[in-house]
Amino acid sequence: DIQMTQSPSTLSAFVGDRVTITCRASQNIHSYLAWYQQKPGTAPKLLIYRASSLESGVPSRFSGSGSGTEFTLTISRLQPDDFATYYCQQFETYSFTFGPGTKVEIK
Amino acid sequence: QITLKESGPTLVKPTQTLTLTCTYSGFLLSTSAVGVGWIRQPPGEALEWLALIYGNDDKRYSPSLKSRLTITKDTSKNHVVLTMTNMDPVDTATYYCAHRHVGGETYFDYWGQGTLVTVSS
Repeated sequence: DIQMTQSPSTLSAFVGDRVTITCRASQNIHSYLAWYQQKPGTAPKLLIYRASSLESGVPSRFSGSGSGTEFTLTISRLQPDDFATYYCQQFETYSFTFGPGTKVEIK
Repeated sequence: QITLKESGPTLVKPTQTLTLTCTYSGFLLSTSAVGVGWIRQPPGEALEWLALIYGNDDKRYSPSLKSRLTITKDTSKNHVVLTMTNMDPVDTATYYCAHRHVGGETYFDYWGQGTLVTVSS
C-alpha cells in the first residue's frame, strides 16, 4: 500500500500569511494527488486535483505543486475562512489513501 | 446538481453488521466513468477510504478492510449500499459517501453530509 504523510501536523499562522503544507507519498504517484479542506462538523471539500489543478470555485490563493513523491499545498494569503484541516489523497493505485491531515490554526 | 446523503443506524452493537445507504441525485451511476465511494472518519482522526463502486458494477475495497466490506448499488432507487460486518468500537466514525470525479481519476468532488455511527454495547 502507498502511505501518505503530511507535515506539519499543526500550523499556526496569522491572517495574511503565506502557508505551505507538504504531503509525501511512500512511492511514486506521478501527479495523482488531490487536496481537501475540512472544517469541523462538515464534509471535506475538494480544492486541488491532479496535484496542481484548481477545482472550480476554489479561490486562486490556493495552489498545488509537485509530482512523484513530494507535493505542496500553498495558501498565498491566509484568510479567516481558511482555518481548517487539510488532507492530501493519492489516487495512483486502487487504494485511495488519505494523509493524516494538517490543521491550520489562528496565531 | 449533484447531491448525496447517507442514512443508517446511529448505534450498533459489537459484532453486528452495519448497513449504510447513500442516496444520490444529479448523476447516473451507469458507466465505468462514474463512481460512488465510502470514506470514514473516527472522531478527531483522519479520513479513511473504504470502498468504491463504478457504474459498470466494478468494485474496489480498502485492502485492510476488504474481508468485512460489501458495496452494492441499486440504480432504480439511486442507492449505494455499504455493509460492514463484525463491527467493533474502533469502527465508531462518521461515514461519508462521495461522488467520484467523472473520468479516469479517483478523487471525490461531491460529498454527503456524513452520518455518525457509534459502536457500543
